[in-house]
Amino acid sequence: EAGVAQSPRYKIIEKRQSVAFWCNPISGHATLYWYQQILGQGPKLLIQFQNNGVVDDSQLPKDRFSAERLKGVDSTLKIQPAKLEDSAVYLCASSLDGQGRNSPLHFGNGTRLTVT
Amino acid sequence: GQQVMQIPQYQHVQEGEDFTTYCNSSTTLSNIQWYKQRPGGHPVFLIQLVKSGEVKKQKRLTFQFGEAKKNSSLHITATQTTDVGTYFCAGYMDSNYQLIWGAGTKLIIKP
Repeated sequence: EAGVAQSPRYKIIEKRQSVAFWCNPISGHATLYWYQQILGQGPKLLIQFQNNGVVDDSQLPKDRFSAERLKGVDSTLKIQPAKLEDSAVYLCASSLDGQGRNSPLHFGNGTRLTVT
Repeated sequence: GQQVMQIPQYQHVQEGEDFTTYCNSSTTLSNIQWYKQRPGGHPVFLIQLVKSGEVKKQKRLTFQFGEAKKNSSLHITATQTTDVGTYFCAGYMDSNYQLIWGAGTKLIIKP
């Protein structure tokens, strides 16, 4: 099966600019996750969708980050305006199980964001 | 808040030595998953443990889930250079849909 697709692979922007990341999960996977991973740390969940509904966005900085999952398939994550501390790898993952509890997460290659 | 503590943060071993990483949760987990992330790569699923006291093996890797379903370990026998990377545990809390990640243990092979 095709894996989780993410784009772009790399992005360099200046602070206060905006940026958007795109994710296409594995076909048929109900649950989609966006994670932020800062160098040397574990993944931090930003938002979790089940189909096109939000299950958990408690750690999403809503004043600058937004995400949507149109028609329960593709998803975009946007940052506006970006700050220096947003420099990280943004990982998209999907899982088959509707509640996400018993299915492994499949990750995309991530987008490495550098904010200067 | 709910946490999964993972230790050690780093482990340096000579090739051929064993490696172990431990995860402990403050609350009961419904299941626990283990992932490996190679340098520059993304986390890749290794295994899931669901039952109390469960032990699973994958070649040189042995995974255990504690009797109380609050702790887990990953043991690698006779490490090889291909084992280099960071190993993460991630547990689902009994009470909600949240998958809580450990901070990871980085396996470093000494030259």
